[in-house]
Amino acid sequence: GAGVSQTPSNKVTEKGKYVELRCDPISGHTALYWYRQSLGQGPEFLIYFQGTGAADDSGLPNDRFFAVRPEGSVSTLKIQRTERGDSAVYLCASSYNRGATGADTQYFGPGTRLTVL
Amino acid sequence: GNSVTQMEGPVTLSEEAFLTINCTYTATGYPSLFWYVQYPGEGLQLLLKATKADDKGSNKGFEATYRKETTSFHLEKGSVQVSDSAVYFCALNNQGGKLIFGQGTELSVKP
Repeated sequence: GAGVSQTPSNKVTEKGKYVELRCDPISGHTALYWYRQSLGQGPEFLIYFQGTGAADDSGLPNDRFFAVRPEGSVSTLKIQRTERGDSAVYLCASSYNRGATGADTQYFGPGTRLTVL
Repeated sequence: GNSVTQMEGPVTLSEEAFLTINCTYTATGYPSLFWYVQYPGEGLQLLLKATKADDKGSNKGFEATYRKETTSFHLEKGSVQVSDSAVYFCALNNQGGKLIFGQGTELSVKP
């Protein structure tokens, strides 16, 4: 079946602009996660949705970052007033997550490479 | 807090050599432990996992055992192939939904 998809695959923007990154999870997965991966580093957690609500947004670096999942499926990560330091690969993952035990496998999308000039 | 530490790379091996990539963690309670792999030009994919102490995860000839007494989850493979060249990430999930990753270890296998 289809995996997690993310669009766009690449996004180049100028400092100060607004960007939206989209994630389509695997059908039937209730949990959705956003991570950010800088070059040479492991992914860092940003936010986690269970259904439509954000269950944990402790990884969002500041109030320029916001994410929504209005119908419990597709999610959009929104970044306002982008800065050069926001340049990274933004990864989305989903899991079936029948319970928040931490044992569920998270399936990752290919990522969106964001470059802020 | 929760954290994961991996051995630094890059690791360069000849084909058919034995592989160990060390991973240790810090966590309260009983986290689940994972190894993810990122092949060149591809996304992260789960390699194996273990959800409780003394469990052994295995896949594609790779193995890792959840050792609570040493807080470790070292990745091993008896005979690596060129196709195993990738970046390997150790991660934990401490019942909170989010994965906490190590910094990654790049493996290069030469023919």
